[in-house]
Amino acid sequence: AQSVAQPEDQVNVAEGNPLTVKCTYSVSGNPYLFWYVQYPNRGLQFLLKYITGDNLVKGSYGFEAEFNKSQTSFHLKKPSALVSDSALYFCAVRDITDDKIIFGKGTRLHILP
Amino acid sequence: GAGVSQSPSNKVTEKGKDVELRCDPISGHTALYWYRQRLGQGLEFLIYFQGNSAPDKSGLPSDRFSAERTGESVSTLTIQRTQQEDSAVYLCASSLVGRVYEQYFGPGTRLTVT
Repeated sequence: AQSVAQPEDQVNVAEGNPLTVKCTYSVSGNPYLFWYVQYPNRGLQFLLKYITGDNLVKGSYGFEAEFNKSQTSFHLKKPSALVSDSALYFCAVRDITDDKIIFGKGTRLHILP
Repeated sequence: GAGVSQSPSNKVTEKGKDVELRCDPISGHTALYWYRQRLGQGLEFLIYFQGNSAPDKSGLPSDRFSAERTGESVSTLTIQRTQQEDSAVYLCASSLVGRVYEQYFGPGTRLTVT
C-alpha cells in the first residue's frame, strides 16, 4: 500500500536561511508526488507536483522540491525563508493506478524573524 | 474566480445528533473529495466522487457516514449519531477530471461533538 512519511512534526528556521521539509514515500509503481500548504485559518493550497521529468520541480512562492528515487524522498526546499512561510506543510503521494492521494501527517514550519 | 466553499465553517453538536456538511466545488470540476483532519493529524481520505457517482467510498470510517452529490455540483457529507471521535475538520476538494493531483481545497468545516 502506498504511504508517505513526514518525520518532523516541526521545523524552525531563521528568516533568510534555507529551509528543508522532509518527506519520504512508498508506492508500488511510479509515484506522483505533491506538496500542499495550509496557512492559519485557510484551506489547503497546492504548492507543486512531480509527475515525471526533471527531478527538481519548482512551485509557488519560491518553493521547490527534489525527487530522489533511490532514497524515495521528495523534500521541500526554499533558498531563503520568509516569516510569511510559516504554515503547515503536507506531502502527498498517489500511485498511478489509484485515484486517491495519501497525505502525510504534516510538518509545522516556523520561520523566526 | 470562486474557489471551493464549505458550510458551515463551524458546527458544535451534541453526541448522538446528526449533522450535514456541505461542499460547493469549483464550477466545472467533476471530481470531488472529502477528507477528515483530526487535531495534529494528517488528512484522512473519506470518499471520492466522479460526477454524482462514488467509485471510492473506502475511507468512510463507519456506516454512520454517508455522502451524496447532486450532478457535478454540491455534495453533502452526513454523519449520523455523532460521536466525540467524529470531532475534526472536514475538508472538501475538487479537481478537473483526470487531474486528481491538482485538487483545490475548501476552508473546511470544524465539527465539535460535545
